Formats: sequence, C-alpha cells, structure tokens
Amino acid sequence: EAGVVQSPRYKIIEKKQPVAFWCNPISGHNTLYWYRQNLGQGPELLIRYENEEAVDDSQLPKDRFSAERLKGVDSTLKIQPAELGDSAVYLCASSLVAGAGETQYFGPGTRLLVL
Amino acid sequence: TQLLEQSPQFLSIQEGENLTVYCNSSSVFSSLQWYRQEPGEGPVLLVTVVTGGEVKKLKRLTFQFGDARKDSSLHITAAQPGDTGLYLCAGRGSARQLTFGSGTQLTVLP
Repeated sequence: EAGVVQSPRYKIIEKKQPVAFWCNPISGHNTLYWYRQNLGQGPELLIRYENEEAVDDSQLPKDRFSAERLKGVDSTLKIQPAELGDSAVYLCASSLVAGAGETQYFGPGTRLLVL
Repeated sequence: TQLLEQSPQFLSIQEGENLTVYCNSSSVFSSLQWYRQEPGEGPVLLVTVVTGGEVKKLKRLTFQFGDARKDSSLHITAAQPGDTGLYLCAGRGSARQLTFGSGTQLTVLP
C-alpha cells in the first residue's frame, strides 16, 4: 500500500515568490493534516481537514498561507508571498479518523528554503 | 497552549548502552504518542499510551505514561546504531489535536 505522497521534495525560492506544496494521502483516509517543522523542532499543526472541510485552521497564518482539499482527497498548501522565516519542512499526514485511537501517517515532507 | 518539553535535546551514546528520554508537561493529556523520525522522512508512530501509569514494551523500547498523564518516558535497552533518529513525543489534549515536543536527537555510535 502506498504511503502519503508529497511533492516536490525540495524547493528553493527567493523571498516574495509564491510556492505550492502537494499532498496525496493514503487511500480512504478522511483526515488530512499539514504541519510545519522547523529545524530541531517538532511538527506544528497548520491545518486539519475532515474530508474537504477545514475543521481546524486556527494556526494557519491566513495573510499569506492558504490550503485546499478539493473532493476530499489531494490537498495543496500555498504560500504567497514567501518570507525568509518560512524556511522549514512542510509535512502532510493522513489518518482514517481523528481522535483518541488515531494513527497519523506522515509523508516525507517538502523542504523549503527561502533565500 | 499545551507545551511538551523533551530532555535531553541531544544524546550521543555508544552501542550497547541504555538511555532514557523524558517528555514533560504541566498539562494533562488524554493520550500520548512517541514517534521516531529519520533524516528526510516523516515521523513514524512507535506507540500510543492512554492510561495513567501504563507501561508498553516494543522489543528493546519501554514506554511509560505518568500516573497523572502529564509526562512520559522512553527507555531503550542496549541501543543499536539503527536506533539513531529524532524521537518525538506528542500529546493529545482536550482540543483533540496533537501537540508535539521539540524532540530528542539520538545518535548511537558503533
């Protein structure tokens, strides 16, 4: 069974440029997460989807970040314009059902470097 | 905001040694998970503990959830180079979302 797929794996851009990340979750997983992981830190939640609905986006910087999950499957995360402080690894995770017994499966992440 | 502090932040040991990693918070969690993350990969779930005082073993790894469900520990017996990685604890609070600790980077030297 294929795991969570993310692309691109690496992205280098100049500040003020836009950038987009793509995630394909495990088939059948209704819940999808986007996390940001800074160097030497644990992941921090950006947004959680239940099917196509964003049920928790309280930590998404909405002035420059946006996300969508059309048809409740694939998802994209966009930054426009990117800032130097956005350099990090962006992780996508999926699970069958959110809650106490949940297992989140993570993709390999997209490593973003903003110059 | 529920914070999870992990210690130590870095740990470098020789193959065969034992080690313990700690995860502490002032908040109560309904469950706590431990993940291992290798370079260039996402975190992989190792274990979930739910009950205060619960102990779970996974081969050479022993996980314990504190009685008050505010802290946890991971003990590795006879560490091997394959155990090298970033160990993350993550607690699930009342808001149902996972809060990750800052991680412990473990290096096991052959």
